[in-house]
Amino acid sequence: DQQVKQNSPSLSVQEGRISILNCDYTNSMFDYFLWYKKYPAEGPTFLISISSIKDKNEDGRFTVFLNKSAKHLSLHIVPSQPGDSAVYFCAASSFQGAQKLVFGQGTRLTINP
Amino acid sequence: DAMVIQNPRYQVTQFGKPVTLSCSQTLNHNVMYWYQQKSSQAPKLLFHYYDKDFNNEADTPDNFQSRRPNTSFCFLDIRSPGLGDAAMYLCATSSGTTSVQYFGPGTRLTVT
Repeated sequence: DQQVKQNSPSLSVQEGRISILNCDYTNSMFDYFLWYKKYPAEGPTFLISISSIKDKNEDGRFTVFLNKSAKHLSLHIVPSQPGDSAVYFCAASSFQGAQKLVFGQGTRLTINP
Repeated sequence: DAMVIQNPRYQVTQFGKPVTLSCSQTLNHNVMYWYQQKSSQAPKLLFHYYDKDFNNEADTPDNFQSRRPNTSFCFLDIRSPGLGDAAMYLCATSSGTTSVQYFGPGTRLTVT
């Protein structure tokens, strides 16, 4: 039973346009959500997070939106840059400070010049 | 720079031959994790330590063991690697007060 799902294995976006990566979860106990970015031959690096008390969190070009009723979150990158090409993982925990994360299987984002 | 270091980056072992992967951290974090990641799949948590307190996931095979001799180091021992254990092994740390985990670069294990 996959509690965190990223249904798009890959996404291709033109440079300068908006990239939207989606993530769905099934466990209503999840309360804190994170996005990680992974380049080849490197470990995942933390990008941005959101607590369930918010519906939006923004950091520069990156914005995460949370729709609790739909159990859905999305990561928006605007404008997209070639360096954004990577695999993006969403992850969830039962509260901020929880030791365990549940990861989705990732979406490979390719930014085309 | 404070970081999570994994050695070796690439490891080849023979079927059934024990292998140890190592992880060290300079972040002075309380929690250390080991994940297994296979191609196009989500990282799968094997176990984690909160200080010396070991927490095994229910579905982690007995073939996988871990040691944490001190705050900085954590080891993953695979007692009898099978072909199905070929994967990327990721080590991560967290402070214990936030859910954010910091990952090392991973060790890619090949079993021949």
